[in-house]
Amino acid sequence: AQKITQTQPGMFVQEKEAVTLDCTYDTSDQSYGLFWYKQPSSGEMIFLIYQGSYDEQNATEGRYSLNFQKARKSANLVISASQLGDSAMYFCAMTQTGANNLFFGTGTRLTVIP
Amino acid sequence: ETGVTQTPRHLVMGMTNKKSLKCEQHLGHNAMYWYKQSAKKPLELMFVYSLEERVENNSVPSRFSPECPNSSHLFLHLHTLQPEDSALYLCASSQGQGIGHEQYFGPGTRLTVT
Repeated sequence: AQKITQTQPGMFVQEKEAVTLDCTYDTSDQSYGLFWYKQPSSGEMIFLIYQGSYDEQNATEGRYSLNFQKARKSANLVISASQLGDSAMYFCAMTQTGANNLFFGTGTRLTVIP
Repeated sequence: ETGVTQTPRHLVMGMTNKKSLKCEQHLGHNAMYWYKQSAKKPLELMFVYSLEERVENNSVPSRFSPECPNSSHLFLHLHTLQPEDSALYLCASSQGQGIGHEQYFGPGTRLTVT
């Protein structure tokens, strides 16, 4: 069975500071993919970043980076230089070989304080 | 238009009504998905279509009926719904499925069943 755990229901960060959103996953497969999505109040899920289980380097996309610790089964999202527009729900998700869909966590609500 | 669009954005319907949700993707993808997002629960996969063939029906009640007439369009036909079906319904598309294939989501339809 797959499971994604996001233990932080809500997080606050000061504008221009960095913030880390936690994600742990549970799978017995060796091959899997990890995703982070952002969901603003408008509802749309916006793809942010992807990490494959065999990728040796941590993924980075602009101000987003994924701190991938395979042995600990964690895939934390780091947002640098937070902006007011970063306030949203953030979801960690996983897929694996042969799976047709993404398995999502319950999300973390990030609020950026001016 | 670009990306994934969904109509209507908001829908209120009685339990005896019949309505349809529409999704259109302009990304040239070959797989489309319906997800249900209820408050404080992870996204739940409902249906997956790959190359216009349904490849997964995640134990969804028959009052939800999907239709995929071509690779760009996906519908969700609704009839005799229950109040617990009130949720945000998200459509997504991807080029390929599984590892390495991020899904792109539409803005969702906020459904309220009265």
